[in-house]
Formats: sequence, structure tokens, C-alpha cells
Amino acid sequence: AQSVTQLDSQVPVFEEAPVELRCNYSSSVSVYLFWYVQYPNQGLQLLLKYLSGSTLVKGINGFEAEFNKSQTSFHLRKPSVHISDTAEYFCAVSERNNAGNMLTFGGGTRLMVKP
Amino acid sequence: EPEVTQTPSHQVTQMGQEVILRCVPISNHLYFYWYRQILGQKVEFLVSFYNNEISEKSEIFDDQFSVERPDGSNFTLKIRSTKLEDSAMYFCASWGAPQEDEQYFGPGTRLTVT
Repeated sequence: AQSVTQLDSQVPVFEEAPVELRCNYSSSVSVYLFWYVQYPNQGLQLLLKYLSGSTLVKGINGFEAEFNKSQTSFHLRKPSVHISDTAEYFCAVSERNNAGNMLTFGGGTRLMVKP
Repeated sequence: EPEVTQTPSHQVTQMGQEVILRCVPISNHLYFYWYRQILGQKVEFLVSFYNNEISEKSEIFDDQFSVERPDGSNFTLKIRSTKLEDSAMYFCASWGAPQEDEQYFGPGTRLTVT
């Protein structure tokens, strides 16, 4: 069974500052990794994903994440945040050999961008 | 761009009543899912569905829950006798494997049990 830990429940940051949202996972098999964003009163939107290949993946809205197998981490970064990035961010994993491909989510990190 | 749709957007029901939440997955997708998110908590997997049968389910998905694909387009989640703790946002998702490698989520149905 896999699990996901997002170490920070809330991250306040000033506009135009860099931000890192941390995600660690646990699994006995290889995994796919995802970051989703949820804006207030909306559904889940995929930001980026790691399937294989380069460990640095770039996503939408200027976000990127780096897969670190030895540390079982997949931290999300953005060099300069905007007010509009205020949202809940969820890290998720799915097991590579699982035909059903269910996603296991972390507890979420609320990013609060202040002017 | 194709998208997953869900109806209704908000459902209010009384405890003990049956509810059916509806989803229209992306048309050429074959894998379907339900997740739920209790207010302020993380998103939790409920069930996955493929080839007209459940392929995986979580411990949350007990006998009160059932899923069905009644026709070629809809995918439904039924809760037979709702409890207060069923109040949550319910998300439907679909996956177009093997051509695609991500699940696409609908906007959710907020279920409020009173």
C-alpha cells in the first residue's frame, strides 16, 4: 500500500517570492507521481506529473517538481508566485503495476499568497 | 477539450434517503473512479470501475454504496441510506488508458446530508 505525506498544511508567502511545497511518499513498488491544484469551490486540476525519464518535470502556471527516488520526495516549486496561485495543492501517487490506477492523495497544502 | 461532467453540483438530502450522483466520463475512456473529499480533509479513493465491474474499492466503499454504468455514457454512484458522515464533495474521474496517463476529474457534487 502507498501513502503520501504533505508536511505543511499551510504555506503563507508574499507575492513574487519563491515557494516550495513538500511531498513525500511511501510505496513498495514504483509509482507515478502527480500534483493537483484545487481552487476554492472547484474541482481538481492536474498541474504536472512524473511518469519516467527526467526527474525534473515542468507543469502549468510556471510550476515544476523534482522526483527524488532516494528521498522518496516530489516537491513542488515555483520561483515567483502570484496572488492567483492561492489554492489547495495535493500531491498524489499511483502504483505502476496497478491496473486500476487508483490515486492516493496527501492531506493537501494550502498556499496563501499575500500582497 | 473533452471534460468530465457531474450532476447535480449540489445535492441536499435527509439522513436515511437514497441518493444517486451522476457522472459523464470522457467518451473514449474505459476506467472510471469515484473519490470523495470531506470538508477540510484530503481526497479519498472510493472505487474504480472497468469493463462493467468494480476493479478496486476502498474500505469506505461499504454495502451502502454501489456504482453502475447504466448506458454508454453515464457512470453513477448510489448511496442507499445516507448518513450525516456521507456529507462530502464527490468527484468522478475517468482515464483513457493506455493512450493517456492521467485521470481527468469532474467538478464534483457537494452532498449535504441533514
